[in-house]
This record gives sequence, C-alpha cells and structure tokens, in this order.
Amino acid sequence: GAVVSQHPSWVICKSGTSVKIECRSLDFQATTMFWYRQFPKQSLMLMATSNEGSKATYEQGVEKDKFLINHASLTLSTLTVTSAHPEDSSFYICSAKGQTSNQPQHFGDGTRLSIL
Amino acid sequence: KQEVTQIPAALSVPEGENLVLNCSFTDSAIYNLQWFRQDPGKGLTSLLLIQSSQREQTSGRLNASLDKSSGRSTLYIAASQPGDSATYLCAVRLGAGNMLTFGGGTRLMVKP
Repeated sequence: GAVVSQHPSWVICKSGTSVKIECRSLDFQATTMFWYRQFPKQSLMLMATSNEGSKATYEQGVEKDKFLINHASLTLSTLTVTSAHPEDSSFYICSAKGQTSNQPQHFGDGTRLSIL
Repeated sequence: KQEVTQIPAALSVPEGENLVLNCSFTDSAIYNLQWFRQDPGKGLTSLLLIQSSQREQTSGRLNASLDKSSGRSTLYIAASQPGDSATYLCAVRLGAGNMLTFGGGTRLMVKP
C-alpha cells in the first residue's frame, strides 16, 4: 500500500535551533501534503496544507514565519521550525494525498520534537 | 463548521469481546469518512475509508458503517485482541479538496 515516510522520528535540540522535518510519499505522487501537530492525549491539529509548487495555506493561529513549509516536488514536503523554543516541543505528523479524490489520506509516523 | 465527536473517549475490555466505537459529525454533507488507528508515539494508520455513497466497509475483523443522514459512523471490532489496543480516530472530509476534520479519538485497551 501507499507509504509516507517522515524523517527524523525524534529530535532533541537546544532552544534557538532551526529544525527541518522531511515528509516523502514513497509510491505515489502527493499533490497535497498536510502538516499536523499533536499534543499528548489530544487529537491532531492541522497546521497547514500545501500543494506542490505553490505556497502553503496556514490555519488560523499558525505562524507562517515560524513554521516554514516547502512542497517543491510531488514526493517531498519539508517543515522547518525556525528558532525553536520549548513551547514548540510537540509531535508533528505529515500526511499526503494523491490526485485521485476518493483515495485515502496517508500519514507518516510522526516526528517527536523536544526543545531544551 | 464541521465538528466530529467520538464516544467513548476511553474503553477497556477483556480479550475476545466484540465492541463498537462511535463517531458523530455535525455536517452530514460529507465527501468521505476515514477511520485511523494510532499507536502511542506513532503516526496514523488508515483502517477503512467510506465514500459518501457507501454504507459500510469491511477489512478483516473491522467493519465500519456510515449513516450520513444521522451524521454517524460506527467502527465494529470483532473478537478483540490485546494487539488492538490503540487510539482510534475518525475523520471526515467535506469535499474532494477539503481537509480532514478529526474527532478526539477513542483510547482502546484490550486486556488479555
């Protein structure tokens, strides 16, 4: 079946560091990719939606300059958390969807980000 | 605004029981509905996808039903096993290009 690969799975770094998370669709072309954030024991919160080759659409309350999203190809999207601080510590999950509208949306395994 | 609610929030059952997880949504004009499983510290695994024109989907011991008019979906798990322990999330999509709206999830524990 379709697979979405997310890397790295766990990051621990100092406050002020910028962290890049990659999301790849391995066996299908992801025309749309989504980035979610999940706090412990809570459901997923959509941060932004990106279509290949265009600027990401951010949800209300999500800082565009803080969370930089690039979707340069049909198989790769990146989320960069710029100048990360402890409050950015969270579980980030990417998701990808192909061109066919009636296909399921597939998710990566998530990245646990811990900012010290 | 679409709201998705899952009941119960948590469920603990002995191994072998058949169980039902509930999902309700406020806007019945959905495009499709998807059930996911999430293990602790992991991403989401898609279990079943039901299109708006369908009433149910089955995969192994899992059966998901959809009643659009009442804004409800159920996930039926037959002969539950300890390995079924996870959080189960339902999500609905209003249109082909729309985002998924998630419920809060049901945390299931199946005791051996």
